[in-house]
Amino acid sequence: ETGVTQTPRHLVMGMTNKKSLKCEQHLGHNAMYWYKQSAKKPLELMFVYNFKEQTENNSVPSRFSPECPNSSHLFLHLHTLQPEDSALYLCASSQAGGGGSYEQYFGPGTRLTVT
Amino acid sequence: GESVGLHLPTLSVQEGDNSIINCAYSNSASDYFIWYKQESGKGPQFIIDIRSNMDKRQGQRVTVLLNKTVKHLSLQIAATQPGDSAVYFCAENLSLDTGRRALTFGSGTRLQVQP
Repeated sequence: ETGVTQTPRHLVMGMTNKKSLKCEQHLGHNAMYWYKQSAKKPLELMFVYNFKEQTENNSVPSRFSPECPNSSHLFLHLHTLQPEDSALYLCASSQAGGGGSYEQYFGPGTRLTVT
Repeated sequence: GESVGLHLPTLSVQEGDNSIINCAYSNSASDYFIWYKQESGKGPQFIIDIRSNMDKRQGQRVTVLLNKTVKHLSLQIAATQPGDSAVYFCAENLSLDTGRRALTFGSGTRLQVQP
């Protein structure tokens, strides 16, 4: 256990569905991240939140909509996805601020299949 | 664009041998590096990190070497065990000075430990 939980662990959705992924961290961190991991591709950073403010959006399509209501929770709202969006979606957290380690703690991921 | 990449997609070693996993990076502004291990069905797990003002750092059974001259990073695992079988990723952070804390990951190397 890394202190970062993700639900659901598996999700199958149609292209017209709307669903949300949830991430919760119990580490007292104040930065949270969404990554996409697909077969044969490196981990791709999607979004970064520092102190609940979005600081990075790496050209992610608008069908992915993140939400960070507080430093412990992060959501990824999904709508009208495409089959190529099928992947493992990983959440991570770290301690933001000057100095210190940049180590990110990852959750187990949500395996998403778009049909 | 600049990126982090791995030389070997798959490495097979005998149990008890030492393993060396390599990583090349091309961004000279990167000054923090981290190795992660990812087992099947799990999120990446921190192994060891190193800052650019160091060229070697040791952990328990693991050593990371950094050669800034040739922009090369390696992970050495001593007395490799079956439990070390996983995919290993190197990642870089682009400049501590900016305060940016988002990692760019390489494509990963699969380590297979033969009993």
